[in-house]
Amino acid sequence: KAGVTQTPRYLIKTRGQQVTLSCSPISGHRSVSWYQQTPGQGLQFLFEYFSETQRNKGNFPGRFSGRQFSNSRSEMNVSTLELGDSALYLCASSSDFLAEAFFGQGTRLTVV
Amino acid sequence: GQQVMQIPQYQHVQEGEDFTTYCNSSTTLSNIQWYKQRPGGHPVFLIQLVKSGEVKKQKRLTFQFGEAKKNSSLHITATQTTDVGTYFCAGPRNNAGNMLTFGGGTRLMVKP
Repeated sequence: KAGVTQTPRYLIKTRGQQVTLSCSPISGHRSVSWYQQTPGQGLQFLFEYFSETQRNKGNFPGRFSGRQFSNSRSEMNVSTLELGDSALYLCASSSDFLAEAFFGQGTRLTVV
Repeated sequence: GQQVMQIPQYQHVQEGEDFTTYCNSSTTLSNIQWYKQRPGGHPVFLIQLVKSGEVKKQKRLTFQFGEAKKNSSLHITATQTTDVGTYFCAGPRNNAGNMLTFGGGTRLMVKP
C-alpha cells in the first residue's frame, strides 16, 4: 500500500508570492490533516479535511487555506507569503476518527 | 486551549543506558499517541494508548498512560544508536475529528 505522498518536496518562494502544496493520502483514508513544523513552534495543526469538508481548523491566519477533492487528495494554499512561513509542511492521513496519523515526507518551504 | 508539554527537551545518553520522556496534558485525553521523527525525516506513528493506566510494550519501548488520562511516558531500555530521533506525544484536541495537539518533543541523542 502506498504511503502519503506530498509534492513538491522543496520550494523556494519570495515574500508576497503564493504557494500551493499537494497531498495524496493513503488509499481509502478520507481524513487529511495539515501541520506546520518549525524549530521554534514545533508541530502545529493547520486544518483537517474529511470527505471534502473542513472539519477542524487551527489558529492560523486566513492566508492559509486548503481544500480536499472527491478522491481525498488535498491541497493547501498560502497567499502573501511571509518570511515566518518558512517551515516543513506535513500532511497526514487517517483511516478513521481518532485513529493514528500517517505522515508524508513533507514539503520544505523556504521564503526569501 | 489544550496544551501538551514534554520533558526533557533534549537527552544525551550513552548507548546501553535507559531513556524516559514524559508528557503532560492540560486536559483529559481520550487517547495519547506517540510518534518518532528521525533527523531529516517525518513523524512515524509508534503507538496509541486509550485506557486509563494502560501499559504497552514494543520490544525495548514501554509506554504508559496515566490513571487520570492526562499524562503519559515512554521508556526505552538499553538505548541503541537506532533510537536516535525526536519523540513526540500527541493528544486529540477535541472529539470532533483528527486534530492533534503535539508536545514539543524530546530529542534523544545516543553516543556509541
